[in-house]
Amino acid sequence: DVKVTQSSRYLVKRTGEKVFLECVQDMDHENMFWYRQDPGLGLRLIYFSYDVKMKEKGDIPEGYSVSREKKERFSLILESASTNQTSMYLCASAQGWSNQPQHFGDGTRLSIL
Amino acid sequence: SQQGEEDPQALSIQEGENATMNCSYKTSINNLQWYRQNSGRGLVHLILIRSNEREKHSGRLRVTLDTSKKSSSLLITASRAADTASYFCATTTGANSKLTFGKGITLSVRP
Repeated sequence: DVKVTQSSRYLVKRTGEKVFLECVQDMDHENMFWYRQDPGLGLRLIYFSYDVKMKEKGDIPEGYSVSREKKERFSLILESASTNQTSMYLCASAQGWSNQPQHFGDGTRLSIL
Repeated sequence: SQQGEEDPQALSIQEGENATMNCSYKTSINNLQWYRQNSGRGLVHLILIRSNEREKHSGRLRVTLDTSKKSSSLLITASRAADTASYFCATTTGANSKLTFGKGITLSVRP
């Protein structure tokens, strides 16, 4: 089975801090994704990557950056955390593109105080 | 912008009953996928149906797709308390398009 592991289930940070969320997948998938999930808004795509060192903006990239130095690892970076970035963050990976299912980690619930 | 919209937003049924959830979308799709999310967990892929397919089955799950009405339904037969979760439909509009999720349906199955 595909395993997508997010480094933290819960994280509390302060406004202005630089925050790193890590995600690792063990199935050699080409594509990796970062979403945030908020009540009433569903899942929104922040960034995705289709290869090492390659990245594309999703629907809501402002205030975020990503890093993919190795195929199995995709990091989400909050450059200067703000309270409106308090959310559930979900990482996913997929072998193909739109015709393949995405496999999700258990999420990181991030609180910015 | 939201592509898929699920209906109803919440559904409560008794164990053993069937649960039917609907998803409508606005533009032509390449495929439609259903996911389940247990409380506090990530999403789990349930089933993918392509635009040229009308029905797919997986265990107690049955998914239909009506492209003329731009809608899909997910039927869970003989529901169990363990089916209690949120269910999301997600669509892609082309071979290289991203997956767009709906806001989800909360299903409660009472023992």
